[in-house]
Amino acid sequence: EIVLTQSPGTLSLSPGERATLSCRASQSITSGYLAWYQQQPGQAPRLLIYATSSRATGIPDRFSGSGSDTDFTLTISRLEPEDFAVYYCQQYGSSMYTFGQGTKLEIK
Amino acid sequence: EVQLVQSGAEVKEPGESLTISCKGSGYFFPNHWINWVRQMPGKGLEWMGRIDPSDSYTYYSPSFEGHVSFSVDKSIATAYLQWSSLKAADTAIYYCARRVAGAEGRYYYYSLDVWGKGTTVIVSS
Repeated sequence: EIVLTQSPGTLSLSPGERATLSCRASQSITSGYLAWYQQQPGQAPRLLIYATSSRATGIPDRFSGSGSDTDFTLTISRLEPEDFAVYYCQQYGSSMYTFGQGTKLEIK
Repeated sequence: EVQLVQSGAEVKEPGESLTISCKGSGYFFPNHWINWVRQMPGKGLEWMGRIDPSDSYTYYSPSFEGHVSFSVDKSIATAYLQWSSLKAADTAIYYCARRVAGAEGRYYYYSLDVWGKGTTVIVSS
């Protein structure tokens, strides 16, 4: 089973700043199989990025994804108040999905 | 509008059985696998497994196999998650999510693009 490790666990930033979230896999992942989700408090997760770098429908272009092999990154170029949430990376492999443990993005 | 509507919150005692549901609308239900995801209080997301509504084929995460079961009634576009004997450790929010599959450039992708709002299950004596 592929393990995804996200860092940092918590990221404290101010609106307008740039956020960089990391997701590292225990073994190589096909780029198409890496996705990112956002979860606001009390809400269901929402798909942000699929296939490493493609934005899901309705996702603003301040969100971008990159990476390959075992290292992947979610970048939020200029934080808006509504971006403060928990972010999960997810991979699909060997007929299974696995999630990272999440990064909490909080207001500084 | 594509959506998954989940059944309401449940409070059960240990040892009881339970079935929760997830009804799809706005799309052709048999075309997309339904996945189940658990979120224990204050914790992250855990993938439980999935069911293919077209043929009811199931795949369970090893962490959940034998403790839960999935089923589907495609005639009413509804998937189910069932427990035969609940434990206190089953207290969690359970989400259903639709799998979307496609190709982007030279890659195939498999993501969970539509989620239900979740069903809260509390197991307590």
